[in-house]
Amino acid sequence: TQLLEQSPQFLSIQEGENLTVYCNSSSVFSSLQWYRQEPGEGPVLLVTVVTGGEVKKLKRLTFQFGDARKDSSLHITAAQPGDTGLYLCAGAPSGTYKYIFGTGTRLKVLA
Amino acid sequence: DVKVTQSSRYLVKRTGEKVFLECVQDMDHENMFWYRQDPGLGLRLIYFSYDVKMKEKGDIPEGYSVSREKKERFSLILESASTNQTSMYLCASSVTSGRAFNEQFFGPGTRLTVL
Repeated sequence: TQLLEQSPQFLSIQEGENLTVYCNSSSVFSSLQWYRQEPGEGPVLLVTVVTGGEVKKLKRLTFQFGDARKDSSLHITAAQPGDTGLYLCAGAPSGTYKYIFGTGTRLKVLA
Repeated sequence: DVKVTQSSRYLVKRTGEKVFLECVQDMDHENMFWYRQDPGLGLRLIYFSYDVKMKEKGDIPEGYSVSREKKERFSLILESASTNQTSMYLCASSVTSGRAFNEQFFGPGTRLTVL
């Protein structure tokens, strides 16, 4: 079974702190996507990373795709309460059209 | 503004009832998906459709069926609801292109409770 494991599963931090969320697999992915889901809503796409080693920045969020394209990370600088939500990585393992979601990281940023 | 709508935000049904969850998208997307979301398990694909009247099983199709009679509408059917089908159900749509996958646009979800 091809899985995307995310860690940590839960994270509660104070406003202004930095954090990193990890997404790992034993499979190679042609690309990975990160979504954020807020309570009562469906997930919304944040970014797609395509090239091994790629780094993308979205304001205070930095996304990195591993060199071997088996893992990705999301780093948030100076977290704010508005960052609270469920973060999901997703992708299709290379050679397949089967799109899978990670197990999710639930982030709570306290004011 | 693109939109995926689901017929109900909350639904309570009894064991054995037939349940219909409706999803409509206004983006003319070819692909539509049904997922269920459970704590600690992420999103799991139930069924997807890449064209009208076409469907493919996902990872957990047992106990579910789907219908896609029109491009914009994708229905999930629980033939005989059971308590282990209590979950959040999410519908999504995406375009088809040369890539293996594209951004999925999600509806707000239907929280189904089966008593």
